Amino acid sequence: DAMVIQNPRYQVTQFGKPVTLSCSQTLNHNVMYWYQQKSSQAPKLLFHYYDKDFNNEADTPDNFQSRRPNTSFCFLDIRSPGLGDAAMYLCATSKTLNTEAFFGQGTRLTVV
Amino acid sequence: GESVGLHLPTLSVQEGDNSIINCAYSNSASDYFIWYKQESGKGPQFIIDIRSNMDKRQGQRVTVLLNKTVKHLSLQIAATQPGDSAVYFCAENTGNQFYFGTGTSLTVIP
Repeated sequence: DAMVIQNPRYQVTQFGKPVTLSCSQTLNHNVMYWYQQKSSQAPKLLFHYYDKDFNNEADTPDNFQSRRPNTSFCFLDIRSPGLGDAAMYLCATSKTLNTEAFFGQGTRLTVV
Repeated sequence: GESVGLHLPTLSVQEGDNSIINCAYSNSASDYFIWYKQESGKGPQFIIDIRSNMDKRQGQRVTVLLNKTVKHLSLQIAATQPGDSAVYFCAENTGNQFYFGTGTSLTVIP
């Protein structure tokens, strides 16, 4: 059974049009992460939540925002997608900050 | 972010041979490491992990070795199978987040 679920698997959005990607988990983990992965590159951490505490990476553009309304759900908002934001977006969860991270299958974002 | 690098971007091995994938990390404060396997179009899948108080850990057909002196991590896959073909990433944790290395693409030749 899927434990970290990302919807949709594929998302096409227009240049400059806000888009939201969603992630849910059934593990009741405290930590949720968002990573951006471009073709043939390693996942790059954007930010993470520990419970309700938000932690942004220093080099994450302001164009990327996140919300975590409850333990199970976390959203990635891209306010004005550019062509360079086309990528796979991965959500992961872990029980604590220093334990195994479980990944979802990702959302492939295309910007047209 | 932290710098986690891999020595070889691609690796080809014959089916049945053993594979060794290497990873160098830069932060001596990192205390937890995970190897992930990622197949095309899918999310990373946990393979094996190791904490800094250990230098070796074994799983089913996989072994991770950690050399803290030279900040080096390796993944050994025994009797490599076609299903092992994927990109392998090491990830280091400095206590509050995971940073990924470049990745090695493993191809198993039947």
